Amino acid sequence: QITLKESGPTLVKPTQTLTLTCTFSEFSLNSSGVGVGWIRQPPGKALDWLALIYGDDDKRYRPSLKTRLTIIKDTSKNQVVLTMTNMDPVDTATYYCARLRGATPPYFDSWGLGTLVTVSS
Amino acid sequence: SYELTQPPSVSVSPGQTARITCSGDSLTRQYAYWYQQKPGQAPVLVIYKDTERPTGIPERFSGSSSGTTVTLTITAVQAEDEADYHCQSADNGETYVLFGGGTKLTVL
Repeated sequence: QITLKESGPTLVKPTQTLTLTCTFSEFSLNSSGVGVGWIRQPPGKALDWLALIYGDDDKRYRPSLKTRLTIIKDTSKNQVVLTMTNMDPVDTATYYCARLRGATPPYFDSWGLGTLVTVSS
Repeated sequence: SYELTQPPSVSVSPGQTARITCSGDSLTRQYAYWYQQKPGQAPVLVIYKDTERPTGIPERFSGSSSGTTVTLTITAVQAEDEADYHCQSADNGETYVLFGGGTKLTVL
């Protein structure tokens, strides 16, 4: 059974950098067309894609957040890490990682439970 | 605003058919995907590549596509289908993944 789990701080201060780790099992980033993406959801609002990475290290970012985001993978640890700089209260959201498949466009077939990150001083 | 437009809410009685639409210019050239999200839970993929149903998703869930609009249809709606439904695709530019605004399905 595929699992993904997000970990990281639940509270960050404005201007700080958020680092989230996605630890997954029962699939490999070495498989063709497989990757991991990050999606967030502010309370009561819609899903908002942030970034994704494939096993060949192809990376894509949401254009409007590209300057603040970095995504990397550690295949040996089955982990994908997202960093987001200069956090603001509007970035308060539940952050999900999910396995992605395909590329035309890609879709997310397994999701973690999510982690709520609050940005507040 | 969202480049994929969904109605904020849809209401149906049990046993009826619910249709949730998602509109966007990019849908003429990009596949669409649908996710079901129940309160406090992570989204679950229910339709991929416009019309395909993942293993384990009930047959009452189906998808269709016509021009700039894709539709998620749930036949013989059950109380357990009450949830938010999100469409996903991509635009024709730099945004690799795009979500709609979500639709809240209420089973009366």
